[in-house]
Amino acid sequence: EVQLVESGGGLVQPGGSLRLSCAGSGFTFSSFWMSWVRQAPGRGLEWVAYIKEDGSSSNYLDSVRGRFTISRDNAKNSLFLQMNSLRVEDTAVYYCARPPPESGYAIDYWGQGILVTVSS
Amino acid sequence: EVVLTQSPLSLPVTPGQPASISCRSSQSLEHSDGRTYLSWFQQRPGQSPRRLIYKVSKRDSGVPDRFSGSGSGTDFTLKISRVEAEDVGVYYCMQGTHWPLTFGGGTKVEIK
Repeated sequence: EVQLVESGGGLVQPGGSLRLSCAGSGFTFSSFWMSWVRQAPGRGLEWVAYIKEDGSSSNYLDSVRGRFTISRDNAKNSLFLQMNSLRVEDTAVYYCARPPPESGYAIDYWGQGILVTVSS
Repeated sequence: EVVLTQSPLSLPVTPGQPASISCRSSQSLEHSDGRTYLSWFQQRPGQSPRRLIYKVSKRDSGVPDRFSGSGSGTDFTLKISRVEAEDVGVYYCMQGTHWPLTFGGGTKVEIK
């Protein structure tokens, strides 16, 4: 059974940093693109970043580019999101997700989500 | 950026009746490879999203056959042939043809 489990969320002040982690299991982690998608309270879904299987390429939502960094450790079946210079508007539930390119990046597995709250 | 506009925003439905959700794109979603990458997700209250449909009309394993997707170019539709109580939630379309990938704003399905 495919599982994605996020950790590392919490409350942080504006301008602060946080590192999210996602542990993947039940599939060959190193064979899949991975991504982070967020959902602000009561709002819709928004892609944040993706990273290719071997970590050779990544891309970001314009509003987080230069502040967030997505990375992975295939030996540990783990995905990360380093979030710096956090803003109030980054407050959201962050989902670790698996977006198969062959399906048009239509995410087939989602984690349970982790809440990040940016507030003073 | 491709904008996906869903309608209606809210859809009250009587159990057993059909429901239809529209997703209109600001650009054609036909990829240069000839495929159209439009998918649909269901998010039940308090849960993570779940994929229902990908590549316009391909239904995921385990998804009831009362769910169907159709459309082409810029106009797409998710249909529920007979709504059941468990179908309550928010439905999102998503396009994977153009970067950045984008989601529609969501349609809330509720039971009358």
